[in-house]
Amino acid sequence: QKEVEQNSGPLSVPEGAIASLNCTYSDRGSQSFFWYRQYSGKSPELIMSIYSNGDKEDGRFTAQLNKASQYVSLLIRDSQPSDSATYLCAVYTGGFKTIFGAGTRLFVKA
Amino acid sequence: DTAVSQTPKYLVTQMGNDKSIKCEQNLGHDTMYWYKQDSKKFLKIMFSYNNKELIINETVPNRFSPKSPDKAHLNLHINSLELGDSAVYFCASRGPLNTEAFFGQGTRLTVV
Repeated sequence: QKEVEQNSGPLSVPEGAIASLNCTYSDRGSQSFFWYRQYSGKSPELIMSIYSNGDKEDGRFTAQLNKASQYVSLLIRDSQPSDSATYLCAVYTGGFKTIFGAGTRLFVKA
Repeated sequence: DTAVSQTPKYLVTQMGNDKSIKCEQNLGHDTMYWYKQDSKKFLKIMFSYNNKELIINETVPNRFSPKSPDKAHLNLHINSLELGDSAVYFCASRGPLNTEAFFGQGTRLTVV
């Protein structure tokens, strides 16, 4: 069983819509949760980090964490074509180990 | 003044050759990593070092040998390269353990 699971997509949304990206993880002891964006041919870059249950907002991005359900999500409001990328969910499970999901490809249509 | 830099960016080599990838970070982080990203974009941890000490070795073949001469550098040497080693290799570093990792620009290795 994969430790961090994401729908690989592609997820296609029109410009201006809300994109919703989801992630589940298997290790209940996981402590920190991250969303990275990766453009084709580039390295992953951090979008959001979240450490406690609830919502965390940063501009057009909102991360949501539910530790009881072992679920993390990322909402992108007012999606722009420049948001088209692969979004990687990452979970720090302790012991120096951060596990990545396989990523969800997002396409924002102009 | 790149935070995590790795060289080379591209590496094309024949099967059976030995090659190295270098990584340096100027963030003052104690922990460094090597990740492998395959064609399906899956980013898999290979090694983790903390203060020059190997912490994680994720059942990587022993043809892969990391070396950390100091906590700012983590190099990866690969012996007897195989076709299946073709991937993008990312170096990363981290400060406090529960914070995010910072990635280098990646090395695209192609074995022919």
